[in-house]
Amino acid sequence: GENVGLHLPTLSVQEGDNSIINCAYSNSASDYFIWYKQESGKGPQFIIDIRSNMDKRQGQRVTVLLNKTVKHLSLQIAATQPGDSAVYFCAENKGTGNQFYFGTGTSLTVIP
Amino acid sequence: NAGVTQTPKFRILKIGQSMTLQCTQDMNHNYMYWYRQDPGMGLKLIYYSVGAGITDKGEVPNGYNVSRSTTEDFPLRLELAAPSQTSVYFCASSYTIPYEQYFGPGTRLTVT
Repeated sequence: GENVGLHLPTLSVQEGDNSIINCAYSNSASDYFIWYKQESGKGPQFIIDIRSNMDKRQGQRVTVLLNKTVKHLSLQIAATQPGDSAVYFCAENKGTGNQFYFGTGTSLTVIP
Repeated sequence: NAGVTQTPKFRILKIGQSMTLQCTQDMNHNYMYWYRQDPGMGLKLIYYSVGAGITDKGEVPNGYNVSRSTTEDFPLRLELAAPSQTSVYFCASSYTIPYEQYFGPGTRLTVT
């Protein structure tokens, strides 16, 4: 399944499928981006980050893609598991460095 | 390492009351942050600090005050609580900027 942005804040996928969560960021001066995972009742947890001098970064089962031309960020989760069910936020620093601005989030539900 | 700890976990305040939300980190991070998260929304920065004795406003500072007398502690003070301050409050810290932030478990505050 694919989330096409803030107009679709929920995403349901079958266990084992790949998930793609999208984020449109607002400021062309942003040079650092983070994806966070937030499980119910908990604080956000760092997943992966990327700097603006990169187009792609891979972690364990996750990949972040950055398209600066259209100011778009995506998080790909491979072989999605029930434990991946959570709300995912992207955050950008808008070039200011000290402050991060969070998107409204996408709720991912993994169907066993 | 306990990471970032916050107290209390829950609190109910009456309109006009005051309280202090406590935040402590044991990672020797210079940077600390306070966010609020309203239901179904992303996080908004209230205040942040780049080191002991230095604080600055974020996106939504009105109705709050902070202090940073030590590297470890970053309390958030609510004066004259209002229903609009009903939210979940997260404290976070980071080693430097821009860099990933480590979040505490949150304080759920209700003002009635």
